Amino acid sequence: AQTVTQSQPEMSVQEAETVTLSCTYDTSESDYYLFWYKQPPSRQMILVIRQEAYKQQNATENRFSVNFQKAAKSFSLKISDSQLGDAAMYFCAYRTAGNNDMRFGAGTRLTVKP
Amino acid sequence: DTEVTQTPKHLVMGMTNKKSLKCEQHMGHRAMYWYKQKAKKPPELMFVYSYEKLSINESVPSRFSPECPNSSLLNLHLHALQPEDSALYLCASSHGSGPTFHEQYFGPGTRLTVT
Repeated sequence: AQTVTQSQPEMSVQEAETVTLSCTYDTSESDYYLFWYKQPPSRQMILVIRQEAYKQQNATENRFSVNFQKAAKSFSLKISDSQLGDAAMYFCAYRTAGNNDMRFGAGTRLTVKP
Repeated sequence: DTEVTQTPKHLVMGMTNKKSLKCEQHMGHRAMYWYKQKAKKPPELMFVYSYEKLSINESVPSRFSPECPNSSLLNLHLHALQPEDSALYLCASSHGSGPTFHEQYFGPGTRLTVT
């Protein structure tokens, strides 16, 4: 069974600084997708970024980028120029290609200090 | 329109009540999902409908009954719930196929309290 591990229950960053959230996963599949979702206090889950396992290039979305290390089964999220609105719970998620089942990590609560 | 809507936002029900949660999307997505989320925990998958057919049922108790009347609507019928069923219930949808098949879009959730 696939598992997703987020080893940092809480992280804190100063506004305008950079922070990296860690995620590791365990799978025997070769074709899969990885995601970072953000859940602010309003509780709506928002897709931040997506990475296809077959792509070597790391995904980037504005201030958000990932460091995808397939051999190490690592998928970290870097947030640059952190803003107060980035404060939220961040979930790493895994999904096998062609499968409807998505697995979430336990989450990392990010606090942004002004 | 990239929105998944859920009604009601909040629901309080007794253990003998029957109620329903509703989810709607108009993005043309053909897969829809129900998740249960307890406080400070990740979402847990309950059900998946793919092309209006139930494709995954994660051993959810029968007091939860999903229904997919059409490709835009997803209901969750609740009956004889227990206090431990109190949680945030999230609905999500995704394309049934294609390059964005794996991205799920979530609704704001229904906060359910069972008394």
